[in-house]
Amino acid sequence: NAGVTQTPKFQVLKTGQSMTLQCAQDMNHNSMYWYRQDPGMGLRLIYYSASEGTTDKGEVPNGYNVSRLNKREFSLRLESAAPSQTSVYFCASSEGGAYYNEQFFGPGTRLTVL
Amino acid sequence: AQSVAQPEDQVNVAEGNPLTVKCTYSVSGNPYLFWYVQYPNRGLQFLLKYITGDNLVKGSYGFEAEFNKSQTSFHLKKPSALVSDSALYFCAVRDRTGGYQKVTFGTGTKLQVIP
Repeated sequence: NAGVTQTPKFQVLKTGQSMTLQCAQDMNHNSMYWYRQDPGMGLRLIYYSASEGTTDKGEVPNGYNVSRLNKREFSLRLESAAPSQTSVYFCASSEGGAYYNEQFFGPGTRLTVL
Repeated sequence: AQSVAQPEDQVNVAEGNPLTVKCTYSVSGNPYLFWYVQYPNRGLQFLLKYITGDNLVKGSYGFEAEFNKSQTSFHLKKPSALVSDSALYFCAVRDRTGGYQKVTFGTGTKLQVIP
């Protein structure tokens, strides 16, 4: 099992450019999440998908959109990148259905917006 | 609103000594609590969790954590530290009474094990 995979690993954008971060999991998990990690701030939830066909905003959704393409895939789109979106982005998944299920994380995408 | 605090940005410990990484939490109901570890340039990996029952939870790589409801704490411990334990550790909490599938993470504690 590959677990949670993310592409790309690194990306540099100019202000105003758009891009999509891809995430896939092969654990048949229902729930998927997108986080950003910034120094001194821990992980902050951007969007989550409790199950296929549903998405909801997290703590910091502004400037982002998501698509739950199917049970395996959950993408994050930046429509018009801003320097404040420079961060490391992590996708995660969990079995869902019970709040005590742990999350499994991908390796991250390091994004720089110039 | 739920929150979690990791009061130490960094903890230094000598190899072979016991280690403790502190975590306190605040939730409106009873919590689910988690510890994750992050090695450089990697995603977070699950270590252990508290659901209910025994206050001492054992996890991966010899780590354990003690749930203390009166002190609202969930400190991570290991009896004998290894250099390979050096990493960033995150505590996380989820309020079991909430309908929102959200986990709140602490800001992380960097553990440095000195040879």
